[in-house]
Amino acid sequence: AQSVSQHNHHVILSEAASLELGCNYSYGGTVNLFWYVQYPGQHLQLLLKYFSGDPLVKGIKGFEAEFIKSKFSFNLRKPSVQWSDTAEYFCAVNALFGGGLVFGAGTILRVKS
Amino acid sequence: KAGVTQTPRYLIKTRGQQVTLSCSPISGHRSVSWYQQTPGQGLQFLFEYFSETQRNKGNFPGRFSGRQFSNSRSEMNVSTLELGDSALYLCASSLGVGDLSYEQYFGPGTRLTVT
Repeated sequence: AQSVSQHNHHVILSEAASLELGCNYSYGGTVNLFWYVQYPGQHLQLLLKYFSGDPLVKGIKGFEAEFIKSKFSFNLRKPSVQWSDTAEYFCAVNALFGGGLVFGAGTILRVKS
Repeated sequence: KAGVTQTPRYLIKTRGQQVTLSCSPISGHRSVSWYQQTPGQGLQFLFEYFSETQRNKGNFPGRFSGRQFSNSRSEMNVSTLELGDSALYLCASSLGVGDLSYEQYFGPGTRLTVT
């Protein structure tokens, strides 16, 4: 069965610090990869996605992620975080042949102002 | 465009009862998926419906069921509720075809508490 691992459950950063959240998945076939964000009191929102093509994908709010097939990884990055980035971030994978999204456990990011 | 809507937003039920949750997808979306979110197990896929047919199913007991109507609206039902069914139930919709079938948009969820 597919699984998704997010390396850090809690991350605390100061404003303007750089962010990298790790995500690894365990599926050898072709996959679609996603990062979702859940801001306090809000519902899950799609941050960015990878289907094919350029392995460096850009999402909303200055976030980007890099798909490294050989490492089964899809790490999320942001060069300079803001207080408003405080949220929980979820990595998810979906195999092309179907099935729902398989989510990682989530990483809670707190940005100190 | 209006987002995914779920009703009710909050629900309290007693063990042994059954419950029905409703989801209206984004206009034009034909696929609806359901997820259960709990602190212990995280987000887990329940099932997916497309054109009124269940297309995929997660690893949940038969007490969990769903259906989809011709207007793409979906309901999920949980029978014989157990305390462990207390969770946030999320609905997500997608276009349902091609690569974009995997780009899912989530609703606010229904918070179910079983006492």
